[in-house]
Amino acid sequence: NAGVMQNPRHLVRRRGQEARLRCSPMKGHSHVYWYRQLPEEGLKFMVYLQKENIIDESGMPKERFSAEFPKEGPSILRIQQVVRGDSAAYFCASSLGRQLDTQYFGPGTRLTVL
Amino acid sequence: AQTVTQSQPEMSVQEAETVTLSCTYDTSESDYYLFWYKQPPSRQMILVIRQEAYKQQNATENRFSVNFQKAAKSFSLKISDSQLGDAAMYFCAYRILQGGSEKLVFGKGTKLTVNP
Repeated sequence: NAGVMQNPRHLVRRRGQEARLRCSPMKGHSHVYWYRQLPEEGLKFMVYLQKENIIDESGMPKERFSAEFPKEGPSILRIQQVVRGDSAAYFCASSLGRQLDTQYFGPGTRLTVL
Repeated sequence: AQTVTQSQPEMSVQEAETVTLSCTYDTSESDYYLFWYKQPPSRQMILVIRQEAYKQQNATENRFSVNFQKAAKSFSLKISDSQLGDAAMYFCAYRILQGGSEKLVFGKGTKLTVNP
């Protein structure tokens, strides 16, 4: 049973470009969460999605950031017009969504903005 | 607001010895979940152990156990018989269930070094 998959593992972008981060949840999981980890910090919640629905995006910056989890395919975290402050590790987690379930994390995508 | 505090930025332990990592949290909820995650140099987040607040018994997973003090809002992790592979960042996390949403709130982490 494959775990949570994220790609790419490393992404380099220049300021002003777009970054697309992909997350495939564990088999059978329909709930996806995105977290951001800045250097020397813990993970910070960004957004919680279910298939075709954004449940909670209270941790997402108001501009340039968007997320989706379509009926088919992976969840996408999209950052438009990246700035140096967007450099971080972005982690995706998935769960079955039941109250007792645990979030299982992917290996993360390390975004570097030049 | 729910917060998680890890007061030890770094800890070290001798191989085969025992070490305890501290975590305190702040919440007004009565039922919640707490977790310890390990992040080795690969940066993968690995679940170590979890505790449901309604359970009085402390969770254990092999060499890992917790000391859950609900009244004190304390959730420490004890690692027994430490191994070199235990060296990692350890994050304490609190799970918020709120208005149909769910998220984890993490502490800033404790870097554990295991000395041979």
